Amino acid sequence: GAVVSQHPSRVICKSGTSVKIECRSLDFQATTMFWYRQFPKQSLMLMATSNEGSKATYEQGVEKDKFLINHASLTLSTLTVTSAHPEDSSFYICSASTWRGGYNEQFFGPGTRLTVL
Amino acid sequence: AQSVTQLDSHVSVSEGTPVLLRCNYSSSYSPSLFWYVQHPNKGLQLLLKYTSAATLVKGINGFEAEFKKSETSFHLTKPSAHMSDAAEYFCVVSERGNKLVFGAGTILRVKS
Repeated sequence: GAVVSQHPSRVICKSGTSVKIECRSLDFQATTMFWYRQFPKQSLMLMATSNEGSKATYEQGVEKDKFLINHASLTLSTLTVTSAHPEDSSFYICSASTWRGGYNEQFFGPGTRLTVL
Repeated sequence: AQSVTQLDSHVSVSEGTPVLLRCNYSSSYSPSLFWYVQHPNKGLQLLLKYTSAATLVKGINGFEAEFKKSETSFHLTKPSAHMSDAAEYFCVVSERGNKLVFGAGTILRVKS
């Protein structure tokens, strides 16, 4: 149980276009989902926290108008990278949290590799 | 703010020998601490977690970690490395409100 999927797994796009990444909790409902970014040979950095039915909370330095997050249901959150540029190329990982073992455990998706040409 | 320092970016061991991945944390509150593993092209998998219960925590695949408050450490160990353990390992601290703060990661190489 507690499986999280992401789609697509890889995407290549041209500079200036927008890309949407989906994150789904397949077998549980998640009131909170998180979006992370991982640059090559670096650790995961939290971009934003997404609660179902409300606006996402962005970390300092993350442009909310560039990285649009929608959390329309308890099983789906989407990240849209608007007007993508080569510096946005990265590995984007989502997680979904659910109460388990006495605390909110996060379950991670397999990630989406974005390459902007 | 909470932070995590993983003391080694790369660790190389021979198959069958012990594994030690070091992690120190900084926290103003009673932290929750985790170790995650990331295999190439796969999602992060939780190995084990400390949430203020027993200080010696046993996880999956024979891994364990000991929470030492006096040393602010949460080192990951395994008595005998297996080839399948080769991956990147992240030490993670949880802030209040469920946010996770990741260490820089340690790449474990297992030699045959």
